[in-house]
Amino acid sequence: SAVISQKPSRDICQRGTSLTIQCQVDSQVTMMFWYRQQPGQSLTLIATANQGSEATYESGFVIDKFPISRPNLTFSTLTVSNMSPEDSSIYLCSVEVPGYYGYTFGSGTRLTVV
Amino acid sequence: GENVEQHPSTLSVQEGDSAVIKCTYSDSASNYFPWYKQELGKRPQLIIDIRSNVGEKKDQRIAVTLNKTAKHFSLHITETQPEDSAVYFCAAHFRGGNEKLTFGTGTRLTIIP
Repeated sequence: SAVISQKPSRDICQRGTSLTIQCQVDSQVTMMFWYRQQPGQSLTLIATANQGSEATYESGFVIDKFPISRPNLTFSTLTVSNMSPEDSSIYLCSVEVPGYYGYTFGSGTRLTVV
Repeated sequence: GENVEQHPSTLSVQEGDSAVIKCTYSDSASNYFPWYKQELGKRPQLIIDIRSNVGEKKDQRIAVTLNKTAKHFSLHITETQPEDSAVYFCAAHFRGGNEKLTFGTGTRLTIIP
């Protein structure tokens, strides 16, 4: 399976600021996925990032709040913009490696907004 | 879109007993069903998965069964051990179209020594 490096692992941010989360994969992948996991909850898909095209956002998530970059087949960033305490959550990236029928997750970014 | 329901939300079993977690899905076109284990503070880890052309799959103490007609699938853990304590998530995925996983709400499994 793929190895994903995600950073930062955690951060405490002031409300109104922005945080950019990075994911680096050790192999080329077509799609990268960004999830949010609120405390004690399941995983909710924010958006799917394809290289060379605009990210596809799920209902309830918008590009202005969660801009995503996908400059190449091994890297993506998610920015959480104009943060409020409600954005406190764990954010995870995920990929499916071609030929391996499973999705691998990054180690997550634990975000606390104060 | 796909909707996945998972039950129970919490489950406590005596060490050595079996645990069963059940999920139902709504989209009959879903054709891939993974199960993830998430320990506290860690990332979800794939523990077993099943495709829609298979009715059952086993891997040592864990097994998954799929009933396509009823649109439900289950995780079975036998001879439970303390290290099985974690949150388990089922998921459903439609391959060949909108490639994404939809997760169930999770089951917190506690193994009582």
